[in-house]
Amino acid sequence: DTAVSQTPKYLVTQMGNDKSIKCEQNLGHDTMYWYKQDSKKFLKIMFSYNNKELIINETVPNRFSPKSPDKAHLNLHINSLELGDSAVYFCASSPHRVGTPTDTQYFGPGTRLTVL
Amino acid sequence: DQQVKQNSPSLSVQEGRISILNCDYTNSMFDYFLWYKKYPAEGPTFLISISSIKDKNEDGRFTVFLNKSAKHLSLHIVPSQPGDSAVYFCAASRGGTYKYIFGTGTRLKVLA
Repeated sequence: DTAVSQTPKYLVTQMGNDKSIKCEQNLGHDTMYWYKQDSKKFLKIMFSYNNKELIINETVPNRFSPKSPDKAHLNLHINSLELGDSAVYFCASSPHRVGTPTDTQYFGPGTRLTVL
Repeated sequence: DQQVKQNSPSLSVQEGRISILNCDYTNSMFDYFLWYKKYPAEGPTFLISISSIKDKNEDGRFTVFLNKSAKHLSLHIVPSQPGDSAVYFCAASRGGTYKYIFGTGTRLKVLA
């Protein structure tokens, strides 16, 4: 009965390929996020969606394209994968609007992407 | 630009003793701070938070202290239990913005 789920859990692929990571939340939240945790363990926000609408794009290359078919899903599609894209990607959701000062976010288990 | 720093990558504590995890920040505009706990192969889970109008917030065995003048917060776990073994991230945000800035985490190991 996972609140925020991501698939796949592990993804190994060649440079230049296109891949997608899916995220679903069953919490009824309006806001969803994608984070990237790099090799130095920094967890950085990439995108935020509120009710299927893109709110934040944190200077991420346009090879990364989030898609929200409905407010329970936020998928991340990555074109022309590069070595530097190797990281753990976390999806998160929140009951609050983006920018709420006392927000609490609920994270998925992460997807470890390895680009060879 | 590492605005939130957790300078201890790891910490070991005996079961029953106090665990103290530290976090420093550089941006004086931060006004809300959170601690997240992360087990292997799972996403971070919210643990406790504190607003800058307070200097202490307590929830069961977990207490967060905020020292605004020193730009320092700490998480105290008393008594520590083996199940507390995890990576702990602190995060900070500035009111009205969407952005949480996370530290790099401290791995806590509670020894039975």
